[in-house]
Amino acid sequence: DTGVSQDPRHKITKRGQNVTFRCDPISEHNRLYWYRQTLGQGPEFLTYFQNEAQLEKSRLLSDRFSAERPKGSFSTLEIQRTEQGDSAMYLCASSALGSGAEQYFGPGTRLTVT
Amino acid sequence: GDSVTQMEGPVTLSEEAFLTINCTYTATGYPSLFWYVQYPGEGLQLLLKATKADDKGSNKGFEATYRKETTSFHLEKGSVQVSDSAVYFCALTPNTGGFKTIFGAGTRLFVKA
Repeated sequence: DTGVSQDPRHKITKRGQNVTFRCDPISEHNRLYWYRQTLGQGPEFLTYFQNEAQLEKSRLLSDRFSAERPKGSFSTLEIQRTEQGDSAMYLCASSALGSGAEQYFGPGTRLTVT
Repeated sequence: GDSVTQMEGPVTLSEEAFLTINCTYTATGYPSLFWYVQYPGEGLQLLLKATKADDKGSNKGFEATYRKETTSFHLEKGSVQVSDSAVYFCALTPNTGGFKTIFGAGTRLFVKA
């Protein structure tokens, strides 16, 4: 396995457009997480899945954001009607079950909203 | 709510100097504690972890001890190298039913030859 992959790596979009990002976790990992990271800050938790179930969502995840993991494998994060404040690095991570399990991070998708 | 506070950077050291990056946390119960590192142009990767009080995590010459009494998890290395230049993030995962990880703001380390 080559680790967590994310696509695209970079996305530039105009304000008001919709964007969708994809994350492919490590194949045997049941948990998948989305984070957002802005310049000079640590990653902020957005949401996580256990298999196909979305078990926790941050208040940061407004109604314009939606995430899915339809078959418990890859996941998508969609942002509707993008705003300039959505510009950030969007990180995906996956982990095995168990408390204290290490999260493996993907390279991230850098979103720029113009 | 749960939170992580780490010392602000940047930290600039000469090669072979001793490194300490302070990290304190606020959490209910006994969270798992982590240090992640982000090298220039690369993704986040786990450096070390500790899952219960008095545990010491260690990797690549770095160490951190889970101190419940002071709610701290300070990162140390006895002799830094230029290749250690990176951003270091302290983080916790609560053990109260959720599995999100809460990160500190990160500390950038520059090591000069």
